[in-house]
Amino acid sequence: QVQLVESGGGVVQPGRSLRLSCTASGFTFNNHGMHWVRQAPGKGLEWVAVIWYDGSKKYYADSVKGRFTISRDDSRNTLYLQMNSLRAEDAAVYFCARDHIVGAAPDYWGQGTLVTVSS
Amino acid sequence: IVMTQTPLSSPVTVGQPASISCRSSQSLVHSDGNTYLSWLQQRPGQPPRLLIYEISNRFSGVPDRFSGTGAGTDFTLKISRVEAEDVGVYYCMQATQSWTFGQGTKVEIK
Repeated sequence: QVQLVESGGGVVQPGRSLRLSCTASGFTFNNHGMHWVRQAPGKGLEWVAVIWYDGSKKYYADSVKGRFTISRDDSRNTLYLQMNSLRAEDAAVYFCARDHIVGAAPDYWGQGTLVTVSS
Repeated sequence: IVMTQTPLSSPVTVGQPASISCRSSQSLVHSDGNTYLSWLQQRPGQPPRLLIYEISNRFSGVPDRFSGTGAGTDFTLKISRVEAEDVGVYYCMQATQSWTFGQGTKVEIK
């Protein structure tokens, strides 16, 4: 079955960096685009970034553009999110999600990893 | 593109229908002719779950009491008969131009 497991969250000071990982199993990883979506405590969902199935295209939310980088390693079935210059407002649960083969919709989600930004 | 959902909260009685509206600030018809509007459910303490994609296509395993309709800028998710397990927050999401979510609609049992 499709499984997505995020890791790498934790407490980080403002201005510092963190790298999140999402390990995928149960499907052919390089057939799917992948998303990062975040959810601040008690708030709604905010799309963060997407990477095409072949890594050829990457798109970012304006709120993270220039600070975050999405990447993938198909040999490891792993998606990454490099987060630099972290701010208090980046604190959230970060979910990775698989893009549905059709319909451009995130069809499977991980359980999320919590990022806390605090001095 | 800004996605606006109404209502933000919907108390419903088990067995009764529920309806959530989602309006986009511009047409969601993509240049390829498709409309990339999805609906997701987030139960308390859980990650989101895809219900509907491309306006009206139910994702695998989604009960047929969930249905989606709409076109252009106006879309609706309907639950024909609400069950207790349907409690949660429902989001519309567009992927026609970048990706954005609506602010969410909380469905709770009266």
